[in-house]
Amino acid sequence: DVKVTQSSRYLVKRTGEKVFLECVQDMDHENMFWYRQDPGLGLRLIYFSYDVKMKEKGDIPEGYSVSREKKERFSLILESASTNQTSMYLCASMIYSGFAEAFFGQGTRLTVV
Amino acid sequence: AQSVTQPDIHITVSEGASLELRCNYSYGATPYLFWYVQSPGQGLQLLLKYFSGDTLVQGIKGFEAEFKRSQSSFNLRKPSVHWSDAAEYFCAVGPYLGGGADGLTFGKGTHLIIQP
Repeated sequence: DVKVTQSSRYLVKRTGEKVFLECVQDMDHENMFWYRQDPGLGLRLIYFSYDVKMKEKGDIPEGYSVSREKKERFSLILESASTNQTSMYLCASMIYSGFAEAFFGQGTRLTVV
Repeated sequence: AQSVTQPDIHITVSEGASLELRCNYSYGATPYLFWYVQSPGQGLQLLLKYFSGDTLVQGIKGFEAEFKRSQSSFNLRKPSVHWSDAAEYFCAVGPYLGGGADGLTFGKGTHLIIQP
């Protein structure tokens, strides 16, 4: 069964801290994504990666960076956490085989205090 | 640029009643369309998807959706809702075959409330 695992369900961090959100997929997919979900705004794409060590900015990359050292792992980094980064973060892995289908992790609810 | 509009932020339906959630999209090529459901505190689960062929697609949990190209719509339906259907529903449009790996574009979601 397809699986995308996010390392934490809930995180509380202090303003200014460097925060790492980890995501691992077991499907051997090339493409992985980080979305942010906020009430009334839906899902917004932060960054994505289509190969190891490759990354592309999404719609809202400011304040974030990513790392993809291995195919199965895609990390989202908040360089200096701020309260406006309090949100639900969703990782997705996607297959392209004539179509696109995304598989999501359970999400990490991050609170920055 | 592609976009998805879900006109209803909240919908309240009585248990056992029928349901229709609206989705309109804007896309420059043949769309690939999806409906996802999110239960409280959970990730997104795929309900159904449309790529080509029959415009009425069946999904899990008794849901179906109809693709109408002339109306740029992909509405989700269920003949009789259950209390467990209370959740957030997202419509999404995907890249076309041969397009870039820029993921899916999501609507802002519709929050479904089930009344006893």
